[in-house]
Amino acid sequence: DQQVKQNSPSLSVQEGRISILNCDYTNSMFDYFLWYKKYPAEGPTFLISISSIKDKNEDGRFTVFLNKSAKHLSLHIVPSQPGDSAVYFCAASIYNNDMRFGAGTRLTVKP
Amino acid sequence: NAGVTQTPKFQVLKTGQSMTLQCAQDMNHNSMYWYRQDPGMGLRLIYYSASEGTTDKGEVPNGYNVSRLNKREFSLRLESAAPSQTSVYFCASSRDRVSYEQYFGPGTRLTVT
Repeated sequence: DQQVKQNSPSLSVQEGRISILNCDYTNSMFDYFLWYKKYPAEGPTFLISISSIKDKNEDGRFTVFLNKSAKHLSLHIVPSQPGDSAVYFCAASIYNNDMRFGAGTRLTVKP
Repeated sequence: NAGVTQTPKFQVLKTGQSMTLQCAQDMNHNSMYWYRQDPGMGLRLIYYSASEGTTDKGEVPNGYNVSRLNKREFSLRLESAAPSQTSVYFCASSRDRVSYEQYFGPGTRLTVT
């Protein structure tokens, strides 16, 4: 039972353009959502998060949007840079409970 | 400040062999976790330790045991390895169980033949 889904295994964008990574979830009890970034041969690193009481959170070039009615969140990267090329995982959690991860989206930013 | 370290980085086992994956963190975190990552599956929680002296099962605990040796160290043991346990294993830690942000180690790539 995959409660968090990233339906696009890969995404390719041109440097300077916007990257939009999408994530859907099924459990309406999730109250916190995170995005992790993973380079090859390294562990995931925390990127940005959002609480279920908000619908948007920004941190520099990264913005996460949450649409609770659609059970959908997205990560926007503007402008995209070649160094952003990595696998991005979305994750969702219920307070004091297990975190569930999506399968990841491989982003390639072309110079 | 090394963060979360894992040993070994790579391991090949034969079916039925046993081994222990080691994890240590130097961030004075209370909670530690073991995940496995398989293609198309994302990361799945095997076991976690909310605080020193406690351990609990996660989503996929079968075939594994864990030990929280002290506040810094959390090991994962495979008593009788099976090919289905071929995976990349990540250890993670967080300040406490209600801190959502987790810090991950570099992973151990395990192959069971």
